[in-house]
Formats: sequence, C-alpha cells, structure tokens
Amino acid sequence: EVQLLESGGGSVQPGGSLRLSCAASGFTLGSSEMNWVRQAPGKGLEWVAYINTHGATYHADSVKGRFTISRDNARNSLYLQMDSLRAEDTAVYYCSRDLLNPIQGIIVGMDVWGQGTTVTVSS
Amino acid sequence: SLELTQPPSVSVSPGQTAAITCSGDKLGEKYTSWYQQKPGQSPILVIYQDYKRPSGIPERFSGSNSGNTATLTISGAQAVDEAEYYCQAWDTNAAYVFGGGTKVTV
Repeated sequence: EVQLLESGGGSVQPGGSLRLSCAASGFTLGSSEMNWVRQAPGKGLEWVAYINTHGATYHADSVKGRFTISRDNARNSLYLQMDSLRAEDTAVYYCSRDLLNPIQGIIVGMDVWGQGTTVTVSS
Repeated sequence: SLELTQPPSVSVSPGQTAAITCSGDKLGEKYTSWYQQKPGQSPILVIYQDYKRPSGIPERFSGSNSGNTATLTISGAQAVDEAEYYCQAWDTNAAYVFGGGTKVTV
C-alpha cells in the first residue's frame, strides 16, 4: 500500500527550529516529486515547498529563507527543516506526492497525502 | 501571481447537482485539480488534469476547465459528499496555488 507518514511536529517557541520527516512506503520516493503543504487552524491549504527528482527545490515566499525541503532517497524519506519559526507557521503540515501525466511529463495533481503532523509556535 | 477564487459555501439537496467554481486568470490554460477534505482528515484527490478521476472516486464527481473558470460538479450529491473542497493549479512562478476552499453542505 502506498503511504506517507509524517513525524517531528511539536511545540516550539518563536525563533526556534523543527525538522519534519515524511517516510514513504509502497513506492520509491526518489522517483517522485514531493511537496509539503500546511493548513493553519480553521484555514485552507497552503503549499509550502516542492522538490523534484533531480533535487531542484521551490519554496513559498512566506517561508523562503527560513524553511528548506530535502530528501534522502536511501531512507525513502522527505524532510522539512524549519528555522526562525513564527506564530503564523502554526499549522498541520502534510507531505504529498505529485501525480505526473506520463506522456507530457507534467504535474497534474497530488495523489498521495500523509496524515499530517502538527506544529505549534507559541511563547 | 495566480490567485484562485472559490465561493465560501455551496448547499445542495440530496440527489441534486452541486457545482463548485474556481476562478483565476487564464485558468483554462493550466491543469486544475480538486481535493476533498473532511474535518480532521487529510485531503483526497478527487479530480486531476481538469476532468480525470483517480481510481476509487465515484463517477458522480466530474470536472471541467475553460477560460478563467474550472468547475467541480457533484451529480446526485450524497450526505457522504459533505466536505470542504479545494481547487489547485500550478503557477508559472513554479509554485502551487490553492483556492480558498468551498464548504459543501448536503
């Protein structure tokens, strides 16, 4: 069964750091393009970061310079290093897998999502 | 940058048809996907590449995309379809964009 399992969430003070992990099972993470998406309490979905199979990364403007997405193909895992955390980073963080159109080779959606891990930034 | 606008809520009677819109500049030139999220659960992909359904998604879910508007249609809505629905597209600035979400009440 294809699954994603996030971990590493918790409570941290403003300015602190956390590292989120996302373990993949049932598929090879290194062959997939992956994302982190977050959802603040009572709010909608917000894309955070993306990494492709070549290691190229993109980050949302709201986290650029503070968050870093990475992957360890040997461990079949995805990571999100979060530094200089702010209260507005409080959210459930999901990892997700991109679905590619096999003919065009372009992203057409996110077909697998983890259960999420909660990050709370508060003094 | 691309912004996607959805109505905050849509109400539909059981067995009737619900249409959820997602508007954005030249959205029809991009692929749009739709996600269903129930309280306390992770999002589920219900439509990708504008109109395609992943395996396991009921046929009552369909999608279209033209001009500046993408639409998710639930034909013969059921109580189990009550959820928040989000549209999504890939922006030319190499970033995903989500709509604000639409709460569907059946």
